[in-house]
Amino acid sequence: DGGITQSPKYLFRKEGQNVTLSCEQNLNHDAMYWYRQDPGQGLRLIYYSQIVNDFQKGDIAEGYSVSREKKESFPLTVTSAQKNPTAFYLCASSMIYTGTEAFFGQGTRLTVV
Amino acid sequence: QKEVEQNSGPLSVPEGAIASLNCTYSDRGSQSFFWYRQYSGKSPELIMSIYSNGDKEDGRFTAQLNKASQYVSLLIRDSQPSDSATYLCAVNRPTGGGNKLTFGTGTQLKVEL
Repeated sequence: DGGITQSPKYLFRKEGQNVTLSCEQNLNHDAMYWYRQDPGQGLRLIYYSQIVNDFQKGDIAEGYSVSREKKESFPLTVTSAQKNPTAFYLCASSMIYTGTEAFFGQGTRLTVV
Repeated sequence: QKEVEQNSGPLSVPEGAIASLNCTYSDRGSQSFFWYRQYSGKSPELIMSIYSNGDKEDGRFTAQLNKASQYVSLLIRDSQPSDSATYLCAVNRPTGGGNKLTFGTGTQLKVEL
């Protein structure tokens, strides 16, 4: 089955630790996106990538890092510099053209303990 | 000014009525527009896409786009309790580094029996 897989579904992190969220897609999509959602809020763009080995900062990139070494994979690292990391993290992918729709993974809920 | 703006609601409508959801965007370079539905605790799912001025109908859903006014709307006819969710407006525009997909904060819809 084609789709976007995020793992893990739930993640707990101690303050001061870095943590990496996985996002893999087998849809042959070129573009991939990471969003953060806080309770009762919309989606805020963290990073996006159009092609392998290239990515762009979104609106709230501070405290996060990404890599795009393979077309299928776009992992997000939440670093200790991110002051309020507890949130619901969503990964999406789409074809490269602006008219094509983006589809989401199931999300990762990160909690700092 | 936010790139994509929505009224957060909640918007309450009786079962069987028409629900009207609105969205404005700031960048005239935006090229494609989407409506997503998100149930509590779940990831967003695409329900409509629209690319040119006018109306686009799909079942009980109609998306309307007015690029001159920078306005997108979603009408839901014969609203059902299962339509109760948060509706997210998303706008895609090309940037130097790829296609940036930006979301509004969402409008919560409640369909009452």
